[in-house]
Amino acid sequence: GEDVEQSLFLSVREGDSSVINCTYTDSSSTYLYWYKQEPGAGLQLLTYIFSNMDMKQDQRLTVLLNKKDKHLSLRIADTQTGDSAIYFCAEKWGGGNKLTFGTGTQLKVEL
Amino acid sequence: DGGITQSPKYLFRKEGQNVTLSCEQNLNHDAMYWYRQDPGQGLRLIYYSQIVNDFQKGDIAEGYSVSREKKESFPLTVTSAQKNPTAFYLCASSRGTYRGGEETQYFGPGTRLLVL
Repeated sequence: GEDVEQSLFLSVREGDSSVINCTYTDSSSTYLYWYKQEPGAGLQLLTYIFSNMDMKQDQRLTVLLNKKDKHLSLRIADTQTGDSAIYFCAEKWGGGNKLTFGTGTQLKVEL
Repeated sequence: DGGITQSPKYLFRKEGQNVTLSCEQNLNHDAMYWYRQDPGQGLRLIYYSQIVNDFQKGDIAEGYSVSREKKESFPLTVTSAQKNPTAFYLCASSRGTYRGGEETQYFGPGTRLLVL
């Protein structure tokens, strides 16, 4: 995994859907992850997807993976103020254990 | 409760001083990691350890040292050679799968290091 890119900021209204995007460069990525970080805290795993899947849904969260374009997205339905945080995507590539993290997207939910 | 603990929550370093950040896990994980987080930047890997008594440098190891004498513990020392140590330091652990399997990393709450 050489490079994982995310946009820095996203602002949405409460109740709308949020879509956070991520692009990665390593075609040998095996697992891709989404983490959430609240202010002053560690990272909390939200979900992950195996590279042979196109989509994974978990309650309000939907992950879409486009392997051809090396594009990963996280959709949060009915976004709430408690969803305000930084969201990181990460990729695991090859046979090693290391993850490569993106720069993080700051999600701000407005009333 | 299983998890990862880091201490202290805040740490102050004087010029020329070495300081040690603690990381303990009771998840029975083989692999442990140290990351540095600066504002507006992602996580950068400092050191990682896949098994007791073994560790490797990450992307920004200069000015840092680690030890892994016990499976549960992976302390990080920030030495005086690290000229810009002010950052948020995160410790993580994972099962350590050696055949390319899923490898979720679980994170501690972090230690914020400030220079006096």
